[in-house]
Amino acid sequence: GENVEQHPSTLSVQEGDSAVIKCTYSDSASNYFPWYKQELGKRPQLIIDIRSNVGEKKDQRIAVTLNKTAKHFSLHITETQPEDSAVYFCAASKTNAGKSTFGDGTTLTVKP
Amino acid sequence: DAMVIQNPRYQVTQFGKPVTLSCSQTLNHNVMYWYQQKSSQAPKLLFHYYDKDFNNEADTPDNFQSRRPNTSFCFLDIRSPGLGDAAMYLCATSREQGNEKLFFGSGTQLSVL
Repeated sequence: GENVEQHPSTLSVQEGDSAVIKCTYSDSASNYFPWYKQELGKRPQLIIDIRSNVGEKKDQRIAVTLNKTAKHFSLHITETQPEDSAVYFCAASKTNAGKSTFGDGTTLTVKP
Repeated sequence: DAMVIQNPRYQVTQFGKPVTLSCSQTLNHNVMYWYQQKSSQAPKLLFHYYDKDFNNEADTPDNFQSRRPNTSFCFLDIRSPGLGDAAMYLCATSREQGNEKLFFGSGTQLSVL
């Protein structure tokens, strides 16, 4: 089955700095890679996703890159703000498969 | 606008006393999932329904059961809760299986006394 590894497990940055979280996956058939943000005590919410036919996607301060050959994808947050502090999960899934495989999560702390 | 609704938000049960958690959705999605999440760990999939087809994960204990009486509702039954079952239970939906984003409910925090 699919295996998703996520690094780092914790990340602390100063407000205004950039943050990068990396994930690797094992199943070359995986073709959908979402990122979820979970604030303390709240539900995970999708912040950005990328499909395997695209190498990069950007939404304001958030971007995701995908390297299919190396089987890794990364989340980039620029100009971080304290409200970016949360746990971020990457995931991988494929067409007609019932499950998304999650990474173990990264706790991001943005210091004012 | 709540799209995936879970009730109750907090549930306290006694060791061994059956408990049912509920989930409803207004998205008309085909797939409904139940996840268990402990202490900011990754959500762990217990099972999911694709329409009426039930799909159990291999490592989900028999103690956990699910029902989906119609498209909108899905229930998680824990037949004999143990202390280790205390967790956040998240319901999620997606339009189709695979390569689709998940819409999560707010979760039910289960405590077992």
